[in-house]
Amino acid sequence: NAGVTQTPKFQVLKTGQSMTLQCAQDMNHNSMYWYRQDPGMGLRLIYYSASEGTTDKGEVPNGYNVSRLNKREFSLRLESAAPSQTSVYFCASRLAGGGNEQFFGPGTRLTVL
Amino acid sequence: AQSVTQPDIHITVSEGASLELRCNYSYGATPYLFWYVQSPGQGLQLLLKYFSGDTLVQGIKGFEAEFKRSQSSFNLRKPSVHWSDAAEYFCAHPNNFNKFYFGSGTKLNVKP
Repeated sequence: NAGVTQTPKFQVLKTGQSMTLQCAQDMNHNSMYWYRQDPGMGLRLIYYSASEGTTDKGEVPNGYNVSRLNKREFSLRLESAAPSQTSVYFCASRLAGGGNEQFFGPGTRLTVL
Repeated sequence: AQSVTQPDIHITVSEGASLELRCNYSYGATPYLFWYVQSPGQGLQLLLKYFSGDTLVQGIKGFEAEFKRSQSSFNLRKPSVHWSDAAEYFCAHPNNFNKFYFGSGTKLNVKP
């Protein structure tokens, strides 16, 4: 039982390049999330998917797109990377329901030059 | 607007001393509340959660937290801090639409 996995762990991009961050969970959770973490700003929600087939914007969606490929997988795409997108990205999942916690992946450290 | 506030950005305590990390939330209904810990270079791990019942909840690693509705607070405590507790701590709660709100975090430094 791997929990939440993310690939890659590290990535360096040049401005304008595109890439997709992958996330998968094996806990049969309905909801999945993408966050970015920057120093002093906590976690900011980029997009989330309450259930398979739905996605919604979070606080900071500009410059990103997401795909909920199936119940297990939720990918985050940067179409044209910018230095402001340099950050650590975390994927999380949870079983929908008020008292249920989120489970987090190990993160992807992205640098955009 | 719904929010979570952690007023202390950095806290330093001596090993063996007690610890209290503050968290305040703004939400009308009884909230679900969570504390997470993040060690350097790692993802977030759940310490404990409150969703109903006893307002004092116990978590992993000897941590506890108390929900106080009158103060809109959910402060995290530990009676005796260990050097391995040095990390960043986040308070969080979800809204009715499955979105989670996180505080900006408190970094704990432990002096030997």
